[in-house]
Amino acid sequence: DAKTTQPTSMDCAEGRAANLPCNHSTISGNEYVYWYRQIHSQGPQYIIHGLKNNETNEMASLIITEDRKSSTLILPHATLRDTAVYYCIVRVGGSGNTGKLIFGQGTTLQVKP
Amino acid sequence: DSGVTQTPKHLITATGQRVTLRCSPRSGDLSVYWYQQSLDQGLQFLIQYYNGEERAKGNILERFSAQQFPDLHSELNLSSLELGDSALYFCASSARQGSGANVLTFGAGSRLTVL
Repeated sequence: DAKTTQPTSMDCAEGRAANLPCNHSTISGNEYVYWYRQIHSQGPQYIIHGLKNNETNEMASLIITEDRKSSTLILPHATLRDTAVYYCIVRVGGSGNTGKLIFGQGTTLQVKP
Repeated sequence: DSGVTQTPKHLITATGQRVTLRCSPRSGDLSVYWYQQSLDQGLQFLIQYYNGEERAKGNILERFSAQQFPDLHSELNLSSLELGDSALYFCASSARQGSGANVLTFGAGSRLTVL
């Protein structure tokens, strides 16, 4: 699975959009981009995933560049409850894969009032 | 509530002891994954089971073992415990083995403290 690079930490003002970048320059064509977050020692929470196209759900939007070498997770209106560690993970899809996710160090997002 | 149930939530024990952590996956999920999160190690993948069979193994110590039962619940056994085994242990489950996108749902974790 491709390696990802994320900034160690970021700040965001409450009510503003939080844009979390992720580089995955060695991504392969069949690898998905997943985003999870972990709020202070709670279990990691799934946010969103994508393969090629941009995706949006009730929590966030995922923008994947055309060459797929990087992506951005967007929380449109950050709240204090969005303070967490955000993990960008790239994993191969398709049959035969084990399905496990390998977590890196992630980005600690601090939402400030 | 994610639908993945882990027990116990907290466990305090002594070095050299043995403990068992239990995980019930979401209804319909066939895969179970175990992760360990220590203060200085981040989230480490330990082992995965799919429909009762071991599917992938990560950084799991020989003192640790796991199994998935016919009703799909899983148990992680930790023996000869050391101070360094103190950590949060998370269980996750997913519906499919890995074909296409595979979303893992995590439980709330079991916090193990070894004194």
